[in-house]
Amino acid sequence: DVKVTQSSRYLVKRTGEKVFLECVQDMDHENMFWYRQDPGLGLRLIYFSYDVKMKEKGDIPEGYSVSREKKERFSLILESASTNQTSMYLCASSLSGLGTEQYFGPGTRLTVT
Amino acid sequence: DQQVKQNSPSLSVQEGRISILNCDYTNSMFDYFLWYKKYPAEGPTFLISISSIKDKNEDGRFTVFLNKSAKHLSLHIVPSQPGDSAVYFCAASAGNTPLVFGKGTRLSVIA
Repeated sequence: DVKVTQSSRYLVKRTGEKVFLECVQDMDHENMFWYRQDPGLGLRLIYFSYDVKMKEKGDIPEGYSVSREKKERFSLILESASTNQTSMYLCASSLSGLGTEQYFGPGTRLTVT
Repeated sequence: DQQVKQNSPSLSVQEGRISILNCDYTNSMFDYFLWYKKYPAEGPTFLISISSIKDKNEDGRFTVFLNKSAKHLSLHIVPSQPGDSAVYFCAASAGNTPLVFGKGTRLSVIA
């Protein structure tokens, strides 16, 4: 079974802090994704990566950056956390093709106060 | 501009009856469609998919129907069970581009 793990299930940070969300997949998948899920807005793509050190902006990249130094690990960085970044963050990976079945991690509930 | 629309935020169905979740899309380039199921405090899990060359795909209690001319797909769950209560997301992709998700429909199956 594919396993996607996220470093924290719950996180509370203060406004202005730098926040790192880590995601690791164990199936040698090429593609990795970061989404945020908010009530009434569904899943919105923040950034994705199709190879090590490669990254592409998704639909809502503002206020975020990413890092993919190793194939299995994809990090989401909030340079200066703001209250409107309070959300559920979901990491996913896919083996072949950006538009194919994705496997999701359990999510990180981030609260910025 | 919402390319994948799930117009019903919620749906309530009696246990044992059929659940029908609907999804409409606007991008005629979409060629692959998926349904995901999400429980609270968990990540979405893949349920079933369909390619645009087909109009139906079935997996156990779950069947997805695709009507390309209407740009509409639906997920049928028969019979519905209380464990099916979750949020269901429809997603679509066009070639090698990331999935586009709808906003989700919350299904409640009442015993």
